[in-house]
Amino acid sequence: DTGVSQNPRHKITKRGQNVTFRCDPISEHNRLYWYRQTLGQGPEFLTYFQNEAQLEKSRLLSDRFSAERPKGSFSTLEIQRTEQGDSAMYLCASSWGGQETQYFGPGTRLLVL
Amino acid sequence: QKEVEQNSGPLSVPEGAIASLNCTYSDRGSQSFFWYRQYSGKSPELIMSIYSNGDKEDGRFTAQLNKASQYVSLLIRDSQPSDSATYLCAVNKFTGGGNKLTFGTGTQLKVEL
Repeated sequence: DTGVSQNPRHKITKRGQNVTFRCDPISEHNRLYWYRQTLGQGPEFLTYFQNEAQLEKSRLLSDRFSAERPKGSFSTLEIQRTEQGDSAMYLCASSWGGQETQYFGPGTRLLVL
Repeated sequence: QKEVEQNSGPLSVPEGAIASLNCTYSDRGSQSFFWYRQYSGKSPELIMSIYSNGDKEDGRFTAQLNKASQYVSLLIRDSQPSDSATYLCAVNKFTGGGNKLTFGTGTQLKVEL
């Protein structure tokens, strides 16, 4: 069990560029979550997958955001046409169906200039 | 009213003392409750989960839940400087699609020598 991994750990981009983040969950976990955390706030839910199905999306997830989990293993989160307000820590968590406990990865810190 | 409320702190306690962290939540349908510890610049790390009214102890940590009062707390006994971190309270309500966590803004704990 190597835990949840995320790549890259840091990303600096210019406004208007597209960025993509990857999350590899704990191997036997079928549920995968994306959260966003800004300074001084708790993580905010973005979206959730059970296997390859995206079952819930937050209203925070504008049409510039898209997430996929094509084979029910790793997931990607893409932000198109980044804005300065997208600067945040993007956290991925996973859990096993039947267990509610979510384990977080190290996060990807995004800075949009 | 925020869904999950915590005092932002900082809460300062001397080394060896008991630290008491509190959290209230608004949704009576909430089913499970979690405490995460987050060091500056790092991702949340699970400390405790609690599902039923009463106390749950794990080492130096005790979680307390009172669903009637919509209140959950975390006690840290024999506080150590390494306990200095932000403590996030998270609440889970099964939405039919998954187990989305709603977080408070966190309480900053400082354990002083």
